[in-house]
Amino acid sequence: DAKTTQPNSMESNEEEPVHLPCNHSTISGTDYIHWYRQLPSQGPEYVIHGLTSNVNNRMASLAIAEDRKSSTLILHRATLRDAAVYYCILRDPYTNAGKSTFGDGTTLTVKP
Amino acid sequence: NAGVTQTPKFRILKIGQSMTLQCTQDMNHNYMYWYRQDPGMGLKLIYYSVGAGITDKGEVPNGYNVSRSTTEDFPLRLELAAPSQTSVYFCASSYSVPHTRGRGYGYTFGSGTRLTVV
Repeated sequence: DAKTTQPNSMESNEEEPVHLPCNHSTISGTDYIHWYRQLPSQGPEYVIHGLTSNVNNRMASLAIAEDRKSSTLILHRATLRDAAVYYCILRDPYTNAGKSTFGDGTTLTVKP
Repeated sequence: NAGVTQTPKFRILKIGQSMTLQCTQDMNHNYMYWYRQDPGMGLKLIYYSVGAGITDKGEVPNGYNVSRSTTEDFPLRLELAAPSQTSVYFCASSYSVPHTRGRGYGYTFGSGTRLTVV
């Protein structure tokens, strides 16, 4: 399975934008880039996913590099409720049964 | 829709005991997965299933067994519990085909089972 690399931790101020980076230099052509977040004592929650083009939804935006070897999750205005561990993973729907490797993620701290 | 339901939420086992962690989904997802998460760590895949009657091992399958007799249910069996199996267990499901919109291809996770083996 292709692996991803994320910083261990990041800090942000409340109501400021947050850019969470992810490197996936061994990504294959059929890997989708997914982001999940995990609040304390909860299961991971889907945030967003994309293949090649940038994606927006009500929670966040996903910016994908042209060579697809990196991506950035953008939270436009961080709130205290966004404090969580964020995971970037790759999923290939056509091989590997869509199973993924989760690293340790990025712990986001939001300061009031 | 209830999503992915896991039971029990908490359990304490003695060394050598056995138990089954239950997982049910009502979204007609054909892919299902079991992960474990040790404190401060990411998720490790235990077993997965691509449909009823088909299961396969993940990264850390030793000490566990699974079955998938229906699309909805994917129980995880622990035989001869050991302290190393103390962890939080998450069940997840997803479609197999990526949808162009929304979360159709994303994992839906259950709320987890916190297991302590003493």
